[in-house]
Amino acid sequence: GENVEQHPSTLSVQEGDSAVIKCTYSDSASNYFPWYKQELGKRPQLIIDIRSNVGEKKDQRIAVTLNKTAKHFSLHITETQPEDSAVYFCAASGPGTGGSYIPTFGRGTSLIVHP
Amino acid sequence: DSGVTQTPKHLITATGQRVTLRCSPRSGDLSVYWYQQSLDQGLQFLIQYYNGEERAKGNILERFSAQQFPDLHSELNLSSLELGDSALYFCASSVGVGRNTGELFFGEGSRLTVL
Repeated sequence: GENVEQHPSTLSVQEGDSAVIKCTYSDSASNYFPWYKQELGKRPQLIIDIRSNVGEKKDQRIAVTLNKTAKHFSLHITETQPEDSAVYFCAASGPGTGGSYIPTFGRGTSLIVHP
Repeated sequence: DSGVTQTPKHLITATGQRVTLRCSPRSGDLSVYWYQQSLDQGLQFLIQYYNGEERAKGNILERFSAQQFPDLHSELNLSSLELGDSALYFCASSVGVGRNTGELFFGEGSRLTVL
């Protein structure tokens, strides 16, 4: 099955700095790569996603890049703010067994933005 | 509010007991997923149902079972509970299935504590 590795596990930055979280996946058939943000005690929520036919996608201060050849994708957050502090999960979704396309999640990155 | 409702929010029980977690998906979503989130772990996929039928199975223990009813709500049954089953259990729903799954909408989770 799919295996997603996510790094770093913890990322501490100063307000205004940029933050980059990287993920690799194992199944070359995966075609959908969402990123979820989970604030403390809350549910995961989608913040951005990218499909395999696109190399980069941007939404205001966040962007995601995908390198299909290397099987890795990254989340970039610019001009970080304290409210960006949360756990971020990457995921990869592919046909798996029986064409299920179940998202497989990385272990998460705890982002801490210091004011 | 994601539109996905989970009950109960918190549950404390003893080892060896059985509990049932309930989930109502967003209106119109036919697909329901169950994920387990333990401390310092990512989101581990347990099982998926689509329109009443089991669609995909992840690392779900034999002591755990689930079903989706005709009104599309789902229940996750956990039996012969062990200390290690203590976790946050999330239900999620999606509009599509398979290749068109897209975003998962998560409920607030059910926190299970086994003493």
